[in-house]
Amino acid sequence: SQQGEEDPQALSIQEGENATMNCSYKTSINNLQWYRQNSGRGLVHLILIRSNEREKHSGRLRVTLDTSKKSSSLLITASRAADTASYFCATTSAGSNYKLTFGKGTLLTVNP
Amino acid sequence: GAGVSQSPSNKVTEKGKDVELRCDPISGHTALYWYRQRLGQGLEFLIYFQGNSAPDKSGLPSDRFSAERTGESVSTLTIQRTQQEDSAVYLCASSPVGTGGTGELFFGEGSRLTVL
Repeated sequence: SQQGEEDPQALSIQEGENATMNCSYKTSINNLQWYRQNSGRGLVHLILIRSNEREKHSGRLRVTLDTSKKSSSLLITASRAADTASYFCATTSAGSNYKLTFGKGTLLTVNP
Repeated sequence: GAGVSQSPSNKVTEKGKDVELRCDPISGHTALYWYRQRLGQGLEFLIYFQGNSAPDKSGLPSDRFSAERTGESVSTLTIQRTQQEDSAVYLCASSPVGTGGTGELFFGEGSRLTVL
């Protein structure tokens, strides 16, 4: 079963705008990760946030985590056409610290 | 190479045939995962190997699916008597699991399986 659910399913923006994607999950987690996938092939890890952290930055990426609402958001600032990809959140639950469960993803299109 | 290597990258087979997919993880990574991704969908967990421990096979969808891994090296995923619904991209990932549990997974480029 899917633990994380991304929202929206698809997002289309202009280059230079910010993109925000959300992820909700159901059970207590150890950590939450965001991955990027180009053209339906391999995934690339973007950022990991632990359950005791609230916000994390990496370059143009900002991730927040609200464990009370069981939700996370990924913000990409000053988007570029090269950011066009699918973005997935993935969680490891408190009861299973190795099984990474993925959501269905958000397809982001950045128009030049 | 330094990354996770999967082969074949593409496989077209006829319904009823067996297929074998191979994954070569990053050297030194003790954890290895197989996931399945159907078109336009998220990743479905199939199986997890960690060192010499018994694998977690809870995600294998039927007894037609099996996987092996020798020590901390190559893994093979075998699908017997393939069905059309097996068509998907099969992704392998490895990870250097530490005491804090699972961190970043390193993915291969996947094997795209098409069953006619």
